[in-house]
Formats: sequence, C-alpha cells, structure tokens
Amino acid sequence: NAGVMQNPRHLVRRRGQEARLRCSPMKGHSHVYWYRQLPEEGLKFMVYLQKENIIDESGMPKERFSAEFPKEGPSILRIQQVVRGDSAAYFCASSLGTAQLTFFGQGTRLTVV
Amino acid sequence: DQQVKQNSPSLSVQEGRISILNCDYTNSMFDYFLWYKKYPAEGPTFLISISSIKDKNEDGRFTVFLNKSAKHLSLHIVPSQPGDSAVYFCAASGVNNAGNMLTFGGGTRLMVKP
Repeated sequence: NAGVMQNPRHLVRRRGQEARLRCSPMKGHSHVYWYRQLPEEGLKFMVYLQKENIIDESGMPKERFSAEFPKEGPSILRIQQVVRGDSAAYFCASSLGTAQLTFFGQGTRLTVV
Repeated sequence: DQQVKQNSPSLSVQEGRISILNCDYTNSMFDYFLWYKKYPAEGPTFLISISSIKDKNEDGRFTVFLNKSAKHLSLHIVPSQPGDSAVYFCAASGVNNAGNMLTFGGGTRLMVKP
C-alpha cells in the first residue's frame, strides 16, 4: 500500500516560470491537503480539497497559486510566475476522512533561481 | 499570529536519558493534538496524539501530556536513542478547522548523543 506520492521531489524554476507540483494520495483517501514549509519554519496550511472540490483555501496566497483535485488523476498545486520567495518545501497530505489520521508525502522542494 | 509555539528550536540529550519537548498553544478551540517526527528531506511522520478529553497518552517510549488550563503539551521520550534525532513538530486541530487541517509549531530539533 503505497503512501502519499509527490513528484517531482526537486524542482528548479527561473523567476516568472510556472511550477506544477503533483500529489497522489494514499489509496482510498479522498481528502488532500497542501502545506508549505519555508526554511527554518514549521509547516503552514495552504489548501484542503476533496475530489473536484476546494473545501478550504484560506492559507493559499490569493494570486498566482491554485490547486485542483480532479475526479481522475493526482492533485495539482500550480504556482504561476514564480518568485524567489516561493522557494520552499511543499508537502501534500491525505486522509481517509475527517477525524482520520493524516499521512504526509515526502515533499517537493521548489527552488526559484 | 502563531497559534502553536515550540519555544525551543533545539534540544541535545544524552542517549538513555529523557527527552522533553514542549509546545504551547493559544487557540482554545483546539481539541486534538499530534506530534510528528521529521527527518531531513522526508515528510513528517505521525508519532503520537492526544485528545483534549485526556491528559496523558502513552505509546512505548513516547508519552504525551496535555495541560488544558495552561494550554501546554509536552512529549517525553524515555529512554532516548540516537535514532530519535530528528525535528519534532507539535500540531493541533479543532472543531473550527476544515477537515483535518493542522496548525503546526515551528519545530524542535532533537539531537541524541551516543
């Protein structure tokens, strides 16, 4: 039973480019969360999705960031026109339902040069 | 506005001794607390949790204590082992959070010396 799978593990983008981060939740999990960890800080909640629906995006910057979790395929976190301040580790997590344990992927480390 | 705080960025302990990691929170709506362990270049892995209806939960070498009146929780590791060296994150969730949304502290880096 594979865990939460994220790819790529490392992503380098030039300023102004787009970054696409993918997350396949654990088998059977329909709840997906994205978190961002800046250097030397804790994880900060960005967005919570269920299949085809954004439930809570209160932690996501209003501009340039978007997330989706389509009926088929992985969840995608998309960052348009990246800036140096977007450099961070982005973690995806999934759970079977509410009040169920949350499992984290290994993260995607985005570096903007 | 940090709702979950881990005031010690690092802790060094001798192998075999007790490690005590502390966490404070400000949001009285939090009712479930978790500790995650994180190695470099990996994702957080769940360690132990506690519901607000309890004041202690134990799992092997790991015990979490919750003091609701002080809004404080702690993780005790006894005996500490070199393999416990990692960053430990305290996290909290509450009835007002969507789904299992977690609020994390800044982490404490534990170093267990052989």
